[in-house]
Amino acid sequence: NTKITQSPRYLILGRANKSLECEQHLGHNAMYWYKQSAEKPPELMFLYNLKQLIRNETVPSRFIPECPDSSKLLLHISAVDPEDSAVYFCASRSGTGTNERLFFGHGTKLSVL
Amino acid sequence: QEKVQQSPESLIVPEGAMSSLNCTFSNSASQSIWWYQQHPGKGPEALISIFSNGNKKEGRLTVYLNRASLHVSLHIRDSQPSDSAVYLCAVSLSYNQGKLIFGQGTKLSIKP
Repeated sequence: NTKITQSPRYLILGRANKSLECEQHLGHNAMYWYKQSAEKPPELMFLYNLKQLIRNETVPSRFIPECPDSSKLLLHISAVDPEDSAVYFCASRSGTGTNERLFFGHGTKLSVL
Repeated sequence: QEKVQQSPESLIVPEGAMSSLNCTFSNSASQSIWWYQQHPGKGPEALISIFSNGNKKEGRLTVYLNRASLHVSLHIRDSQPSDSAVYLCAVSLSYNQGKLIFGQGTKLSIKP
C-alpha cells in the first residue's frame, strides 16, 4: 500500500527521542496509530478525526501524538523502554458506520536496545 | 471490554482445498465484523466485512455471521499458496467512534 507512507521503516534506539511520521494520500479524515508487538494483534494507541484527538488509549506519556494536518500524523517518542519494541502502524479510515474500513501503512519497526 | 477470540491459532490446508477460520466476539451490539489479511512484514489489509446475519460472498471468500451465537467465520475456496498469511478478525463497536478490536489471529499456511 503506497498510499499510506511511514518513515522511518526501521528504527533502533537507546534511550533517545525520535519521531515517527505518516502521510496518507487517500483524502481520509480519520487517522490512527496502532502498536503491534510480536505475535500479538494490533492495539489502538491514538485516533484523530479532522485533526482532533478522539481517543487516547492507555498509552505511556512518553508517546505524544501530533496531527499537523488531516493527511499527516506524527508520533513523538521520548526515553523509550524495551517494552516499546514493536511495529507501529499508521492507518486511515474510509466510510462511516457499517462501511468503515481501515487502510494500514507498512509500519515502522522499533527496536529498543 | 469487547473480546475477540479466533480459532484455530494455526491451520495448514492443501492447495485447492477450503480454508475455514472462526471468530467469536462478546458484544452483540458490534457494528461490523471485518477480516484482515496480514503478510509478514506488512500492514493488515482489509478483505471482507459483514454486518447483517447470514452470509456474504466475494470471489473466493465467504463470510457467515450469526449474531445470536456471536460467531463469524471466513471460508476461502480453492486456497492458493498466496493465501498463506495471518488472518485477523476485527470488530467495530457502534459507540467506539471507529475503534477496531482485533482478535489474536489465525496463521494460515497453504501447502502446494
